[in-house]
Amino acid sequence: QPAVTQPPSASASLGASITLTCTLSSGYSNYKVDWYQQRPGKGPRFVMRVGTGGIVETKGDGIPDRFSVLGSGLNRYLTIKNIQEEDESDYYCGVDHGTGSNFVYVFGAGTKVTVL
Amino acid sequence: EVQLVQSGAEVKKPGATVRISCKVSGYTFTDYFLHWVQQAPGKEPEWMGLVDPEDGETIYSEKFQDRLTITADTSIDTAYMDMSSLRSEDTAVYYCATLRNWGQGTLVTISS
Repeated sequence: QPAVTQPPSASASLGASITLTCTLSSGYSNYKVDWYQQRPGKGPRFVMRVGTGGIVETKGDGIPDRFSVLGSGLNRYLTIKNIQEEDESDYYCGVDHGTGSNFVYVFGAGTKVTVL
Repeated sequence: EVQLVQSGAEVKKPGATVRISCKVSGYTFTDYFLHWVQQAPGKEPEWMGLVDPEDGETIYSEKFQDRLTITADTSIDTAYMDMSSLRSEDTAVYYCATLRNWGQGTLVTISS
């Protein structure tokens, strides 16, 4: 089954841009990944799904246009432009694998984003 | 508006069983799988399993399959997660989710 790797932390100054990376394990370059935002003390919130062709379907409810995604090779990127204080959160990626009884869903360890 | 509303916090003793409910609204319950996710304090979410409300079929993570039962009652658009043989490391927030939409979470504390 696939694994996803995320750097533990990232930071950006207020109003700047930041790109988060989620890296799939070798052999899974055609897989799509889900991005989630988790604000302090809150539950996860779906941001969007991304494959090598970019966004899959639509963004999650209320996700600003400042959020965008790209996919290339084993990497799936989430970019936040004009970062705001409200974007300070943990960001997780997740990937599903298999069908039927072999289905599994795997989350990354997350990237903590700090807005300076 | 899609809503997933979970039951309230629980405190359980080691070895006990906990049941958490998840009442959905705003969409057709049988259209999407309903997942359960565990998030221990300070850790990333961990997928536990899912139910297909259409036919009640379930899929469980290997880690939880011996202790976990997920069911769905289509008459009241509610899913349930039962976990047995609770131990201290099960202290966590538990979420139900379609993955696009999430419940508010239920804190389960295991304490003797």
